[in-house]
Amino acid sequence: NAGVTQTPKFQVLKTGQSMTLQCAQDMNHEYMSWYRQDPGMGLRLIHYSVGAGITDQGEVPNGYNVSRSTTEDFPLRLLSAAPSQTSVYFCASSYSFSPRGQYEQYFGPGTRLTVT
Amino acid sequence: AQSVTQPDIHITVSEGASLELRCNYSYGATPYLFWYVQSPGQGLQLLLKYFSGDTLVQGIKGFEAEFKRSQSSFNLRKPSVHWSDAAEYFCAVGAVISSGSARQLTFGSGTQLTVLP
Repeated sequence: NAGVTQTPKFQVLKTGQSMTLQCAQDMNHEYMSWYRQDPGMGLRLIHYSVGAGITDQGEVPNGYNVSRSTTEDFPLRLLSAAPSQTSVYFCASSYSFSPRGQYEQYFGPGTRLTVT
Repeated sequence: AQSVTQPDIHITVSEGASLELRCNYSYGATPYLFWYVQSPGQGLQLLLKYFSGDTLVQGIKGFEAEFKRSQSSFNLRKPSVHWSDAAEYFCAVGAVISSGSARQLTFGSGTQLTVLP
């Protein structure tokens, strides 16, 4: 199993550009989520999905969109990039068949995004 | 709302010395608690978890953590640190997302561990 994969590893955008961060998992996990990591702030939840066709907002959703058309993929879209979105983005997945299962999350290696 | 505090931003220990990383949480019910480790340029890896039962939990890489309800703490310990333990460590509490029924992890701000030879 490859686990959770993310592409690209690094990206530089100009203010106002849009892009999609890719996330895929091959563990047949129902639950997937996106976090952003900023210095001194830990990880904050952006959006999450409990299964194909179902998404919802997390703690910091503004400026981001998600969709979940398949169990494997959960892309994160930046609609109009802003310097405040400079961060490291992590995708995670877990089983959702039990509450405890949802908490045991597997993380991807991250995407480092810089917006100038 | 739940929260996690890791009071030590940076800790330096010598190789072979013991280690304790502090974590305090705030949560209204019985918490589910986790420790993750992040090596440079890597994603997060689960070290150990507490759901219920024995308050001393064992994890991977020789780590353990003790849940103390009276102190709202879940400190991570290792009796003898290795140079490969240098990384950033995150404590997290699991909670139901306020807008629905899904679960989320709320993370502390992390503790960076440096290991001296």
